[in-house]
Amino acid sequence: NAGVTQTPKFRVLKTGQSMTLLCAQDMNHEYMYWYRQDPGMGLRLIHYSVGEGTTAKGEVPDGYNVSRLKKQNFLLGLESAAPSQTSVYFCASRRKTNSGANVLTFGAGSRLTVL
Amino acid sequence: AQTVTQSQPEMSVQEAETVTLSCTYDTSESDYYLFWYKQPPSRQMILVIRQEAYKQQNATENRFSVNFQKAAKSFSLKISDSQLGDAAMYFCAYGGDYGGSQGNLIFGKGTKLSVKP
Repeated sequence: NAGVTQTPKFRVLKTGQSMTLLCAQDMNHEYMYWYRQDPGMGLRLIHYSVGEGTTAKGEVPDGYNVSRLKKQNFLLGLESAAPSQTSVYFCASRRKTNSGANVLTFGAGSRLTVL
Repeated sequence: AQTVTQSQPEMSVQEAETVTLSCTYDTSESDYYLFWYKQPPSRQMILVIRQEAYKQQNATENRFSVNFQKAAKSFSLKISDSQLGDAAMYFCAYGGDYGGSQGNLIFGKGTKLSVKP
């Protein structure tokens, strides 16, 4: 049981290039999230999805797009990368429940550097 | 909006000693959950302990325990008998009872814990 898998784990981009981070979960979770982690800032929510075909903006959505065409996959796209997007990106998922008790399962993170 | 504050960017503890990491939060909700996550150098986010706000009893997981003060909106983590493997970044997080609408966690900025041999 792999849990949450993120690819790639590392990537270096030049300013203006585009790329897509892939998050895949095999737990049949309804909810999926993309966070970014920057030094001294903790984890901040970029976008999230509460089900297949749905997405919504989080705290810091600018410069990112997402898609959830299949329940198990949640893609994070950067159309024109900027140095400010240098960060570690985490994907997480959880079951749908009317309770904050449900624990998030995190991927291992993807380190992105934009030069 | 809910906020989570960790006022100690860095902490240090001697091996086998006890250390307490602080966390305060702000919310207008009555039912919610609080979490402590550990992030070692491997970057993996590991759940350490979870507290349900409607439970007055403090949660405990082996050497890890919390001091939950609901009225003061305080949620500190105590690590007893500290081990070298406890060295990591620790994040406090808030999970509201969103009724299934969003369900994400709100994180503090983290406390980097060093353990001295």
